Amino acid sequence: DTGVSQNPRHKITKRGQNVTFRCDPISEHNRLYWYRQTLGQGPEFLTYFQNEAQLEKSRLLSDRFSAERPKGSFSTLEIQRTEQGDSAMYLCASSFERQGLSTPNYGYTFGSGTRLTVV
Amino acid sequence: AQSVSQHNHHVILSEAASLELGCNYSYGGTVNLFWYVQYPGQHLQLLLKYFSGDPLVKGIKGFEAEFIKSKFSFNLRKPSVQWSDTAEYFCAVSRTGGFKTIFGAGTRLFVKA
Repeated sequence: DTGVSQNPRHKITKRGQNVTFRCDPISEHNRLYWYRQTLGQGPEFLTYFQNEAQLEKSRLLSDRFSAERPKGSFSTLEIQRTEQGDSAMYLCASSFERQGLSTPNYGYTFGSGTRLTVV
Repeated sequence: AQSVSQHNHHVILSEAASLELGCNYSYGGTVNLFWYVQYPGQHLQLLLKYFSGDPLVKGIKGFEAEFIKSKFSFNLRKPSVQWSDTAEYFCAVSRTGGFKTIFGAGTRLFVKA
């Protein structure tokens, strides 16, 4: 299966610690997205990359959050000084999209997510 | 700002019943519309999508959705549900041109055998 891979699947950390998650997208995909999902809610957009460039960041992404996608391949999402409110499922998705104002979005392929619990 | 509203948070049906899940979005421009499904213990999967052409789109497993532009709606339907359709369903929208996708809060469907 060459889908989107996320590691780790689960992470329990103490408040104040730093955590890092990794996402390996489908290799042919140029776009990579990070979303956060809490209980009873749909995925909330955090940030996305076109190749290695980070094109948009949500206001949800405070300065404790940073994401990278070196060389346009895998991506990491780091949360510094974790808080209990950061507990959520962190989802990664990838897609192939061409540039252009009329370019349709064909949909994303999601990974299984990383469930973060901050205690 | 774009938003997506799903009318029901929980739906319980018996097998063979018909299904319609409501979805409305707010954005006046050209949009791409999606339904994603998350089966228990699995990751989100694309069920169907609309980006142009026939407003009635067909997806996997007998699902279909109708885009009604005048109502800003994209309702999901299935004539006869099965126990295996038990899952959470998310409506989503993105602006044409490579913008991010916005998701609704989801509808949990439970189908009784």
